[in-house]
Amino acid sequence: AQSVTQLDSHVSVSEGTPVLLRCNYSSSYSPSLFWYVQHPNKGLQLLLKYTSAATLVKGINGFEAEFKKSETSFHLTKPSAHMSDAAEYFCVGGGATNKLIFGTGTLLAVQP
Amino acid sequence: EPEVTQTPSHQVTQMGQEVILRCVPISNHLYFYWYRQILGQKVEFLVSFYNNEISEKSEIFDDQFSVERPDGSNFTLKIRSTKLEDSAMYFCASSEGQGEGYEQYFGPGTRLTVT
Repeated sequence: AQSVTQLDSHVSVSEGTPVLLRCNYSSSYSPSLFWYVQHPNKGLQLLLKYTSAATLVKGINGFEAEFKKSETSFHLTKPSAHMSDAAEYFCVGGGATNKLIFGTGTLLAVQP
Repeated sequence: EPEVTQTPSHQVTQMGQEVILRCVPISNHLYFYWYRQILGQKVEFLVSFYNNEISEKSEIFDDQFSVERPDGSNFTLKIRSTKLEDSAMYFCASSEGQGEGYEQYFGPGTRLTVT
């Protein structure tokens, strides 16, 4: 069975400092992995996706994530946080079917 | 940019009542999904739908739930007799295809409150 674990429920950073949101996955097969973001009262928006083509994946708004099979991780990073990055972030796994498996979410706060 | 829409944004209903949550997927998409998120818990898969049939459902999706594509644009989730524990945010999603590389596009959600 596939699962994803987000290691932090809340992360707080200062504007202009790096962001690191951690995700580990468990899968018996090569997974598809995604990061989605949810701003208040908005739908879930795809930030980026890993689908085995490249281990370093670049997404929208300056975010990127690196798939590390040896560590079973898919952490989300951004070099410099912006106030507009404050939102909830979900690490999501997908497999052979279209059923998505969500992590518990990480709420990112950005302090001025 | 095309988007998935959902109505209503908030639905309040009494226990035992039937509710229908509505979604308009992106027009050229063929696969449709419902997920839900109970407050404080993970987003959970409920059901996927393709070619007018359920293609996969979770153990949550029991006989009180049903889905339908009544016309060429809408995709609905019906809960026949609501329970307090059905209170959650319900998300509709759609995708163009299935498998690696196909993104699911999510709507903004319907918050269902059962009293």
